[in-house]
Amino acid sequence: QSALTQPASVSGSPGQSITISCNGSNSDVGGYNYVSWYQQPPGKTPKLIIYDVSYRPSGVSNRFSGSKSGNTASLTISGLQAEDEADYYCSSYTNSSTLVFGGGTKLTVL
Amino acid sequence: EVQLVESGGGLAQPGGSLRLSCAASGFIFNNYAMSWVRQVPGKGLEWVSTMTGGGVHTYYADSVKGRFTISRDSSRNMVSLQMNSLRVEDTAVYYCTKRGVGTVTWSSFDPWGQGTLVTVSS
Repeated sequence: QSALTQPASVSGSPGQSITISCNGSNSDVGGYNYVSWYQQPPGKTPKLIIYDVSYRPSGVSNRFSGSKSGNTASLTISGLQAEDEADYYCSSYTNSSTLVFGGGTKLTVL
Repeated sequence: EVQLVESGGGLAQPGGSLRLSCAASGFIFNNYAMSWVRQVPGKGLEWVSTMTGGGVHTYYADSVKGRFTISRDSSRNMVSLQMNSLRVEDTAVYYCTKRGVGTVTWSSFDPWGQGTLVTVSS
């Protein structure tokens, strides 16, 4: 159950787009379309922003989008806003009937 | 409105036990898998355990298998996590969460409770 690999940090200016990668293996990200993304602002609880690779829950801004290619999932945030500054985590179902999270990525809006 | 309220955290000694509870409201409890996820303060998220809606199937992370037990009480709309043989490395904030939108149990977790802090120290 090794954690999925995410960059420790990314940054961007307001209005720009950024992409956060989530690298796994054939046993998790590559094998299933059960990748989710969570946003955790400082001092707050995680919030679901993407599920099943690319679907947005009701109420989540369409500036957030998800995709997957092979063993790598990606979260793209377009039109960056100051309120997007947070930690972002990916997760995936695994072939061991478990769930694994990524190590998290700290997004800084410059 | 869906609400998840955890309780039971606190200080425990290595080798000791704690029981966490999560009171759920605002949804049909039996229809949803419930999970526990933990987070060492300042660190990342770690999935701990999941129990399906009917309570038939349980799943555990290798790090807690054999030591932690998840259970649910549909009469009280509560899910619990019995933690035995606690280790220093179990120190974390423990979040209760329910299955969110998506096709299967593992599609998503939404929402999350506020968390309860467990500290394991001598």
